[in-house]
Amino acid sequence: SQTIHQWPATLVQPVGSPLSLECTVEGTSNPNLYWYRQAAGRGLQLLFYSVGIGQISSEVPQNLSASRPQDRQFILSSKKLLLSDSGFYLCAWRTLGSYEQYFGPGTRLTVT
Amino acid sequence: GDSVTQMEGPVTLSEEAFLTINCTYTATGYPSLFWYVQYPGEGLQLLLKATKADDKGSNKGFEATYRKETTSFHLEKGSVQVSDSAVYFCALEGGGNKLTFGTGTQLKVEL
Repeated sequence: SQTIHQWPATLVQPVGSPLSLECTVEGTSNPNLYWYRQAAGRGLQLLFYSVGIGQISSEVPQNLSASRPQDRQFILSSKKLLLSDSGFYLCAWRTLGSYEQYFGPGTRLTVT
Repeated sequence: GDSVTQMEGPVTLSEEAFLTINCTYTATGYPSLFWYVQYPGEGLQLLLKATKADDKGSNKGFEATYRKETTSFHLEKGSVQVSDSAVYFCALEGGGNKLTFGTGTQLKVEL
């Protein structure tokens, strides 16, 4: 069966520090991968998506970047965090031809 | 561009009450429509979906019908339970492998 892992579960980082969040998927190959952010009291905002290794589409200009170094690995990064980067970050995947996106457990990021 | 509008919450109901969460959308073409649920501290789970007009998605007692004429996909349940307390998100996929989400509606069910 397919599973999706995200880590860490929670993270508290000071302003100006770097960020690396990792997402890995098991049990499937060549998935589409997605990073979303959920800010307090708001809906989900799609940040990045990837249809293959090294292929990244950015939906919103921001302080963050994404990379896909392996087929089932998706990384969200920042060189210098801002207070506004605080939120709940969710990774998701889907396979070609499927309607459903499967979400990971999320990472709660607090920038202080 | 595509957009989804949901009723604002929180919605507070007593157990066994009838639930309706309104959702309307704007999209070109014929999108697929979804309801996702997020329990406290967790990621999102697909609750139900409908891929064409007049389809009814159903799961765990929840239902939603794809109404093209009113561009709506309202979520309903006849008798809610405390365990249904969560945030519910309406979403659409209009193509391009991307979902567009509404802002979410928090549901609180009390005894």
